[in-house]
Amino acid sequence: EAGVAQSPRYKIIEKRQSVAFWCNPISGHATLYWYQQILGQGPKLLIQFQNNGVVDDSQLPKDRFSAERLKGVDSTLKIQPAKLEDSAVYLCASSLSGGGGSYEQYFGPGTRLTVT
Amino acid sequence: ILNVEQSPQSLHVQEGDSTNFTCSFPSSNFYALHWYRWETAKSPEALFVMTLNGDEKKKGRISATLNTKEGYSYLYIKGSQPEDSATYLCAPRLSGSARQLTFGSGTQLTVLP
Repeated sequence: EAGVAQSPRYKIIEKRQSVAFWCNPISGHATLYWYQQILGQGPKLLIQFQNNGVVDDSQLPKDRFSAERLKGVDSTLKIQPAKLEDSAVYLCASSLSGGGGSYEQYFGPGTRLTVT
Repeated sequence: ILNVEQSPQSLHVQEGDSTNFTCSFPSSNFYALHWYRWETAKSPEALFVMTLNGDEKKKGRISATLNTKEGYSYLYIKGSQPEDSATYLCAPRLSGSARQLTFGSGTQLTVLP
């Protein structure tokens, strides 16, 4: 079974530039998550999708971050414009369901973003 | 915001040593606890999902226990090997509509050959 795919793996940009990350979840997984992991901290949930609808985006800085999951499969996360404090690893995860049942989250390898 | 604490923050052990880490979390509205292992440049890998007070899970040389009444879990590694070097993350889930994971900051383990 193919895992969660993410691209790019690494990205270096200057502050005020824009960047986009892509995620392809495990086939059949209805729920998709984007996490931000800043060095020295645990992953923090940015947004959770159930199919193509948003379940929770309460911790997404909406003035600069946006995410979409068209057709309920792939997802993109965008930052525009980037700030220095956005330097982090951005992890995508997917699961069969969000609330109960088989809830194990499967993670991609992440995108390491450096903003200079 | 759920307060999840992991200790120690980092740990260096010699190959062959046994070690353990702690994850503390609020005990109210507990639903489940997840442990993940995250090796550098790889995807976080699920180790255990624990739900019941007194649960003990084992996977090879790694085991975990759960105390939901006092809000803590221990992860044990017996006879550490260099390939065990990774960051170990715990993430409790509370009862609720979304039952999201809230991660601790992790314990970074380095096993020296």
